[in-house]
Amino acid sequence: QLVLTQSPSASASLGASVKLTCTLSSGHSTFAIAWHQQQPEKGPRYLMRVKSDGSHIKGDGIPDRFSGSSSGAERYLTISSLQSEDEADYYCQTWHTGTYWVFGGGTKLTVL
Amino acid sequence: EVQLVESGGGLVQPGGSLRLSCAASGFTFSNFWMHWVRQAPGKGLVWVSSISSDGDSTTYADSVKGRFTISRDNAKNTLDLQMRSLGAEDTAVYYCTRRSLDASHADYWGRGTLVTVSS
Repeated sequence: QLVLTQSPSASASLGASVKLTCTLSSGHSTFAIAWHQQQPEKGPRYLMRVKSDGSHIKGDGIPDRFSGSSSGAERYLTISSLQSEDEADYYCQTWHTGTYWVFGGGTKLTVL
Repeated sequence: EVQLVESGGGLVQPGGSLRLSCAASGFTFSNFWMHWVRQAPGKGLVWVSSISSDGDSTTYADSVKGRFTISRDNAKNTLDLQMRSLGAEDTAVYYCTRRSLDASHADYWGRGTLVTVSS
C-alpha cells in the first residue's frame, strides 16, 4: 500500500534552517513526491516536485530558500534562512498512475 | 495567472446533497486533469476524486464512491462535484486542484469551500 509518513511537528529558530522528511512506504522508494505549504487559514500552495535522484523542480515564485533532496525512500524539504511566514503545515504528496493521490499526514512547522 | 475559485459550500443536513463548482481561468482548462481534495477541520489533506482532461475517465476515493460524482464542462471552464447522502464525515473544506502536465502532482490549488454536514 502506498503510504507517506511525516513527523507531526518540527521547529527551528528564525534565520536558521530546517529539514523536513517524507518517507515512502516499502516498495515505493523510487516514487517522486511533491511538497505543498499550507499557511494558517489558507489553501495549500505547491512548492516543488522531488524525484528519487534528488533533483527537484520548483513551482512558480518559490524562493531559493526552499530546496528538495532524496535519500532512499526519504524525500526532504529544506528551508533555509527561516522567516516567520514559513510557519505553516507542510504536506508531501505522491500519486498512483496519476489518477489518485496520496498525502502524508503533514508536518506543522513552528518558527521560534 | 492561474485561478481556481470554488463555490457551492454551505450547511447541509445529514443525508442531504450539495453541488460544488470550481471556476478555472488563466490556463487552457481542457488540457488538464483536475482533482478534488478535502480537509476536515484540524486534519490533513485527503484526495477525493479525479477527472481526465476530456472528462471520459473518473476515479473516486473509496469513502465517496457511489455518493459523489465529478464532472467538468470544458466549454465553460468549470469543474463540479455532486455530493449525495452526506454524513458528518464529509464535513470539510473542499479544494479544487489542477494536476501538473509534466508529472501527476497538484500544481495549483483553489482557496476551498467549506461543507458542513449537521442537523
